Amino acid sequence: AQSVTQPDIHITVSEGASLELRCNYSYGATPYLFWYVQSPGQGLQLLLKYFSGDTLVQGIKGFEAEFKRSQSSFNLRKPSVHWSDAAEYFCAAAIKAAGNKLTFGGGTRVLVKP
Amino acid sequence: GAGVSQSPSNKVTEKGKDVELRCDPISGHTALYWYRQSLGQGLEFLIYFQGNSAPDKSGLPSDRFSAERTGGSVSTLTIQRTQQEDSAVYLCASSSSWSERERGPDTQYFGPGTRLTVL
Repeated sequence: AQSVTQPDIHITVSEGASLELRCNYSYGATPYLFWYVQSPGQGLQLLLKYFSGDTLVQGIKGFEAEFKRSQSSFNLRKPSVHWSDAAEYFCAAAIKAAGNKLTFGGGTRVLVKP
Repeated sequence: GAGVSQSPSNKVTEKGKDVELRCDPISGHTALYWYRQSLGQGLEFLIYFQGNSAPDKSGLPSDRFSAERTGGSVSTLTIQRTQQEDSAVYLCASSSSWSERERGPDTQYFGPGTRLTVL
């Protein structure tokens, strides 16, 4: 079955430190890949997406993600986190044949220490 | 411009009652999706509308759930005979479906959700 896995449920990081969130997918072929962020009381906002081509993609708010086909991974990174980055992050995948409906990972909640 | 709106923002109901949740997509978006976010199941797909095509209902958890999209715009998700396990945040998203420029699916824009509590 097609699935997206985020191994880390919670991550605590100090403000100014780097952040990496892991995402693995299990699909027959490479799906379209996305990272969304959900801040407290806010809706889901797209950070970045990967369709094809350059495996390092840049997104909003200083985030980037790297696609690694050999590892079926699409990890999200930020070099220096800000207190406002405290939120829940969701990795998602979609395939055209399924109407591009999103399959989400379980989410990673990021806490930022001052 | 206006984003995706959903109403009500909160709904508390008694077990066994029917509820209707509304979604107003971004004008011009041909695709509309419903998702559910709950503590036990995370974020899961429910149903998808694309233009005039038959909806993809593959994510609906039971026949108590139904949805319609009138005039290719507003959508209503109906839950009949609500159960406590239906308590969740119901999210609606809309998109233009496909981006020729990006050669991939257009961004899905999410509404703020409706928090449903079944007592």
